[in-house]
Amino acid sequence: DVKVTQSSRYLVKRTGEKVFLECVQDMDHENMFWYRQDPGLGLRLIYFSYDVKMKEKGDIPEGYSVSREKKERFSLILESASTNQTSMYLCASCTPWADTQYFGPGTRLTVL
Amino acid sequence: DAKTTQPTSMDCAEGRAANLPCNHSTISGNEYVYWYRQIHSQGPQYIIHGLKNNETNEMASLIITEDRKSSTLILPHATLRDTAVYYCIVRANRDDKIIFGKGTRLHILP
Repeated sequence: DVKVTQSSRYLVKRTGEKVFLECVQDMDHENMFWYRQDPGLGLRLIYFSYDVKMKEKGDIPEGYSVSREKKERFSLILESASTNQTSMYLCASCTPWADTQYFGPGTRLTVL
Repeated sequence: DAKTTQPTSMDCAEGRAANLPCNHSTISGNEYVYWYRQIHSQGPQYIIHGLKNNETNEMASLIITEDRKSSTLILPHATLRDTAVYYCIVRANRDDKIIFGKGTRLHILP
């Protein structure tokens, strides 16, 4: 079974803190994605990566950065967390030309 | 922006077939219709996809109209575990990012 894991299910941080959200997949997938999910807005793509050290902006990249140093790991970074970044964050991965993305369980981040 | 329109919510009795509609009137010839679902507190899960022919797998059936402007996801015998938000997505290329809309919240009633 494909497994996508995220470092935390729940996280509470303070405004201005630097936050790292980690995602690891064990299926040697080239493509990895970070989404956030908010009530009434659905899932929105933040960043994605098609290869190691490669990244592309999604629809809402402002306030975020990413790192892909190893194929299996894709990190989302909030340089200076703000309250409007309180959300559910979902990581996904897939092979190129894949029919489906596999999602992790999500990290619910609260910024106080 | 999502290219699909779905009802906000639907109810279905347990054991009955759940039919979830989706409109995608601006779909292009090379775009597939995908369905995902998200059970509470979990990440989205792929269900099925199709181009123009009807498709069936162990989870569901997908019926696409001849003009491809709408489709219906059918869960043949809904159970309480099928309670989830169901997303209909159109996607041109398998490598493309997925744009999720707001989905349909399906309640299966005992």
